[in-house]
Amino acid sequence: AQSVTQLDSQVPVFEEAPVELRCNYSSSVSVYLFWYVQYPNQGLQLLLKYLSGSTLVKGINGFEAEFNKSQTSFHLRKPSVHISDTAEYFCAVRQYSSASKIIFGSGTRLSIRP
Amino acid sequence: GAGVSQSPSNKVTEKGKDVELRCDPISGHTALYWYRQSLGQGLEFLIYFQGNSAPDKSGLPSDRFSAERTGGSVSTLTIQRTQQEDSAVYLCASSFGDRVLLNSGANVLTFGAGSRLTVL
Repeated sequence: AQSVTQLDSQVPVFEEAPVELRCNYSSSVSVYLFWYVQYPNQGLQLLLKYLSGSTLVKGINGFEAEFNKSQTSFHLRKPSVHISDTAEYFCAVRQYSSASKIIFGSGTRLSIRP
Repeated sequence: GAGVSQSPSNKVTEKGKDVELRCDPISGHTALYWYRQSLGQGLEFLIYFQGNSAPDKSGLPSDRFSAERTGGSVSTLTIQRTQQEDSAVYLCASSFGDRVLLNSGANVLTFGAGSRLTVL
């Protein structure tokens, strides 16, 4: 079985400051990793994904994440945030299997202060 | 269709009544997922379909919850004898489920807008 832990339920940052949202996972087999974003009053959409290859993946809106197998982490980063980045961010994991569920973390609410 | 369609978008019901929530996935998507999002909570996995079968229904909270999928397409989530703690947004998502497509990223989930259930 796999699991996902997002240690920070809320992260307040000032506009133009850097941010890191933490995600750790647990799995007995190899996994695919995802970050989804839910903007206020909108549905979830994919931000970025790690499938294989380069451990640094870039997503939309200037976000990137780095897969660290030894630390079983997939932290999300952005060097300079904007008010429009205010949203809830969910980390998700799926095991290497054609019949495998996708498990989400509990989410991190990112609030940007002007 | 162009996206994942869920109905109703809002449902208010009385405690003890049964409700049905419908999900119409993207055409061609063989995998279908139901999640529950409660206020202040994350996404709670409920059940996963591959075609018409459910390899994993471990997330269903109780035997009051059931789901089915017919024709490899539309899915219905049924909650019997609703309780106030069932109040939440129920999200449906679909994706390609073919292993060949997994490495292409085609298994990314597309979510519907959700069905907001309020049990009075």
